[in-house]
Amino acid sequence: GAVVSQHPSRVICKSGTSVKIECRSLDFQATTMFWYRQFPKQSLMLMATSNEGSKATYEQGVEKDKFLINHASLTLSTLTVTSAHPEDSSFYICSVSTGDYGYTFGSGTRLTVV
Amino acid sequence: DAKTTQPPSMDCAERRAANLPCNHSTISGNEYVYWYRQIHSQGPQYIIHGLKNNETNEMASLIITEDRKSSTLILPHATLRDTAVYYCIVRLRYNNNDMRFGAGTRLTVKP
Repeated sequence: GAVVSQHPSRVICKSGTSVKIECRSLDFQATTMFWYRQFPKQSLMLMATSNEGSKATYEQGVEKDKFLINHASLTLSTLTVTSAHPEDSSFYICSVSTGDYGYTFGSGTRLTVV
Repeated sequence: DAKTTQPPSMDCAERRAANLPCNHSTISGNEYVYWYRQIHSQGPQYIIHGLKNNETNEMASLIITEDRKSSTLILPHATLRDTAVYYCIVRLRYNNNDMRFGAGTRLTVKP
């Protein structure tokens, strides 16, 4: 399967600031990437589908103006949490569809908004 | 994608086999059964997948019933590092669409 690198692994930011999370597919050209959010003791929830060169598709209830997704190349998708608030504190995970093995996931980003 | 049902939690003794069940009674003929696991504070990790035949790799074995309505993931000699949440997902192979997770089974391997 592919190798997916996610950065940063942890970030603490002040309420009202923005945070950018990067997801890189190191050895696979990914036309589509996916962003998930996971709250403590809960399962992964799909937030949005990131499409290279076009607008992302957001799940119902996910604010597209708050969670900005950019997929400018076949190897990089970014998720920017704008005007972050404590309730945005969560574990954010990206993934790449890699064919036979289904999906390869990044290692996740732990966001804490204080 | 078909829905799956898994027990919320299971315990297993170290060095014993861990058998994790999954029900997928609405699976369609061309859907595969995938298993992933998520160790605490990490991204999910692919384990194994299969269509109708039993499969084995270096991590686990997958047993799928003849009617394909259920399956069992077997970790033959569980170690403490196998403590994780295990997700059973049914989907089309080579499907570029999103993957959605259920609640999974929280496996705790005990010494």
